[in-house]
Amino acid sequence: EAGVTQFPSHSVIEKGQTVTLRCDPISGHDNLYWYRRVMGKEIKFLLHFVKESKQDESGMPNNRFLAERTGGTYSTLKVQPAELEDSGVYFCASSPGYMNTEAFFGQGTRLTVV
Amino acid sequence: GIQVEQSPPDLILQEGANSTLRCNFSDSVNNLQWFHQNPWGQLINLFYIPSGTKQNGRLSATTVATERYSLLYISSSQTTDSGVYFCAVVVSGTYKYIFGTGTRLKVLA
Repeated sequence: EAGVTQFPSHSVIEKGQTVTLRCDPISGHDNLYWYRRVMGKEIKFLLHFVKESKQDESGMPNNRFLAERTGGTYSTLKVQPAELEDSGVYFCASSPGYMNTEAFFGQGTRLTVV
Repeated sequence: GIQVEQSPPDLILQEGANSTLRCNFSDSVNNLQWFHQNPWGQLINLFYIPSGTKQNGRLSATTVATERYSLLYISSSQTTDSGVYFCAVVVSGTYKYIFGTGTRLKVLA
C-alpha cells in the first residue's frame, strides 16, 4: 500500500513567486493534515481537512496560504506570494479517523525562498 | 496548552554507542508517535506508541501514559541515525498532533 506522497520533494523559488505543494494521502483516509517546520523551529500544525471540508485552519499563518482538497482526495497548499520566512519543510499527514488513530506522515516538501 | 519537552536537546555519539531519548508531556494524550527527521529534511515514521513497548530492529520505544513520558532507545548507533528525533502527541479529546522540541542527534564515524 502506498504511503502519503508529497510533490515536489524540493522547491526553490524567488521571493514574490507562487508555489503549489501537493499531497496525496493514503487511499481511503478521510482526514488530511498539513504541518510545517520553519527556521529550525518546532513542527507546527497548519490545517485539517475531513474529506473536502476544512475542519480547522487555525494554524495557517496568513492569507498568502491557501489549501484545497479536491473531491476529498489529494490536497494542494499554495503560497502566493512567497516570502523568505516561508522557507522550511512542509509535511502532510493522513489518517482514517481523527482521534485514537495513527497519522501517517509524508516525507515532506522542502521549500526554499530566495 | 500541552507542553511536550524532549531531552536531551543535543546528543553526540560515537558509532556503536547506545542512547535513550526522552519525551515528557504535561497532559493526558490519546496518541504518541516518534519520528526521525533526516538531514535532508524528510520525516520518517518510527513508532506509533500511545502506550506499551515496541521494537523495530535497533530501535525500541516505551510509553508510560499514566506518568506522561515516552522513551526512544537507539542501540548500536550508526551514522545514518543522525538527524532530529521528534515525539508528537494528541491531547485527549482533540485531533492535532503537537510536536516536541526535538533531540538533535549526531553520530560520528
